[in-house]
Amino acid sequence: GDSVTQMEGPVTLSEEAFLTINCTYTATGYPSLFWYVQYPGEGLQLLLKATKADDKGSNKGFEATYRKETTSFHLEKGSVQVSDSAVYFCALSDGNYGQNFVFGPGTRLSVLP
Amino acid sequence: DGGITQSPKYLFRKEGQNVTLSCEQNLNHDAMYWYRQDPGQGLRLIYYSQIVNDFQKGDIAEGYSVSREKKESFPLTVTSAQKNPTAFYLCASRPGTATNEKLFFGSGTQLSVL
Repeated sequence: GDSVTQMEGPVTLSEEAFLTINCTYTATGYPSLFWYVQYPGEGLQLLLKATKADDKGSNKGFEATYRKETTSFHLEKGSVQVSDSAVYFCALSDGNYGQNFVFGPGTRLSVLP
Repeated sequence: DGGITQSPKYLFRKEGQNVTLSCEQNLNHDAMYWYRQDPGQGLRLIYYSQIVNDFQKGDIAEGYSVSREKKESFPLTVTSAQKNPTAFYLCASRPGTATNEKLFFGSGTQLSVL
């Protein structure tokens, strides 16, 4: 079945450091790919998405490119801030999976001043 | 403002008790979902509903029940059969079920066992 794998956390960075969180997926169809962010005690918010191969999603300085050849959707940001501290989830939506989402386990990011 | 409202924010369950978590949306979305989140883990699907009066079991439906009598409401009941109910519960919705449509989430309910 479909699955999403993320790099294990926690990830701790200093402010202004470069961020990469790896995400790879397995899907039987042609999924759309998403990154969600969760702040403590809250629900998930969409960060960015990409719906077809080679699409790049971007928002608030974060970027991710849909790589079909490597089945990957890695999240990057050039200069992180303390306010970026949160848990990040990679997810896919695949029409062959009952039109449902599959989430990765999440990666906790802590940014130190 | 449009959105998803979950209540209560915190809920405590006694042994053998059923409890119901509320989820209401005013986004006019057809599809609604319930997820369970355990500490340090991802989201697991409990139930989903693609249209009023219809719902399907997700990956971990045992010990839970739902109803979808109105488009805007999708309450989740945690029954006494659910032996380990302590978790953070998230309700979500989206306009339909096209693969490119994002999920909108509520702010969650933390359920604990007394």
